Amino acid sequence: GIQVEQSPPDLILQEGANSTLRCNFSDSVNNLQWFHQNPWGQLINLFYIPSGTKQNGRLSATTVATERYSLLYISSSQTTDSGVYFCAVLTDSWGKFQFGAGTQVVVTP
Amino acid sequence: ETGVTQSPTHLIKTRGQQVTLRCSSQSGHNTVSWYQQALGQGPQFIFQYYREEENGRGNFPPRFSGLQFPNYSSELNVNALELDDSALYLCATGMPKNIQYFGAGTRLSVL
Repeated sequence: GIQVEQSPPDLILQEGANSTLRCNFSDSVNNLQWFHQNPWGQLINLFYIPSGTKQNGRLSATTVATERYSLLYISSSQTTDSGVYFCAVLTDSWGKFQFGAGTQVVVTP
Repeated sequence: ETGVTQSPTHLIKTRGQQVTLRCSSQSGHNTVSWYQQALGQGPQFIFQYYREEENGRGNFPPRFSGLQFPNYSSELNVNALELDDSALYLCATGMPKNIQYFGAGTRLSVL
């Protein structure tokens, strides 16, 4: 099956710093989503981005499908950005996501 | 707000018991998928239902079963609970080839 690798596994940031999270995948995908999992377990959808670039406030994401990677940018980080960020891909038409192992982000005041 | 509701939020069971977890979604979301997330790991796909039929299954034994109902609600049933079944169980709903929305999950502890 498809392999999804996220890096780095852990990230500690000072409030106000910028960062880039990476997701590599081993096969072509129909769907790619970035999620933020809060401390209570809720997976919040950040971006639905099978290709191209999107921005939402301080967050933006880019997927280069031909090179099989996606990047999530966090700018001017805030303590509320802390949590685990997951990249998940769909390889078929249905909802069988393959998740990466996640990046644990801690933003300190 | 994702429009996906899971119940209960927390559950404690003992080994060998059976459990039913529930998920309800927005009207029009005709696919529902269930995932198991062990502590410190990414969610693992259990199975998916589309129009009330199972439409794909991950590497989980038959004691994990499910149902999808015409009103867009769904159940995950686990029989003969084992200690390793302790995890966060997530459901996701949506339309094929489109964005998927996750519920807040049910945290199951098996003692």
